Amino acid sequence: EPEVTQTPSHQVTQMGQEVILRCVPISNHLYFYWYRQILGQKVEFLVSFYNNEISEKSEIFDDQFSVERPDGSNFTLKIRSTKLEDSAMYFCASSEFSSLVVGGNNEQFFGPGTRLTVL
Amino acid sequence: AQTVTQSQPEMSVQEAETVTLSCTYDTSESDYYLFWYKQPPSRQMILVIRQEAYKQQNATENRFSVNFQKAAKSFSLKISDSQLGDAAMYFCAYWGGGSQGNLIFGKGTKLSVKP
Repeated sequence: EPEVTQTPSHQVTQMGQEVILRCVPISNHLYFYWYRQILGQKVEFLVSFYNNEISEKSEIFDDQFSVERPDGSNFTLKIRSTKLEDSAMYFCASSEFSSLVVGGNNEQFFGPGTRLTVL
Repeated sequence: AQTVTQSQPEMSVQEAETVTLSCTYDTSESDYYLFWYKQPPSRQMILVIRQEAYKQQNATENRFSVNFQKAAKSFSLKISDSQLGDAAMYFCAYWGGGSQGNLIFGKGTKLSVKP
């Protein structure tokens, strides 16, 4: 069964450094998402991406964050200058359709996550 | 803004018994989806069950069923004949019909299954 994959599984970085988290969505999916989960807290939406542009983003997704689909298979999340509070588990997800398609398969498939630790 | 509330941080059930996990949500929209996701320890989240708000019939998937009360904005998950493999974190999630995929999650309920 196709799966969403994420690399690395764990990333440790120094405050102020740039990190790139990588995701390979399911191949026929068109919608891509990033979520994060700070330890002990709820999973929070960061951004959705469709047709090579951001569809929607949350307040968390400020100018320090960017997303890209550089080569048609990878979907990346870049944090330009990491802060201590960016430490979290970051989940990538993909779906075939968006919620706007009634009856379509709008299930979001999640990757295993990347644990980002900012020191 | 939409919110999702799971009032049970932890639940425990005996193997083969039935357990119900609670979820309430708040929205002004009439068309939306509700989901229950399961996250086993150190594993990725997988979808357990989905309910479309326009459907009155409660969704069922084998041992998993929901009690969807639209007027009360309640969406509970019932797990029948609980198995050891059901032990996981369970997240209730909301997806509004007007959004492009912004899943709103509850804080989760940690379910333990006792042999």
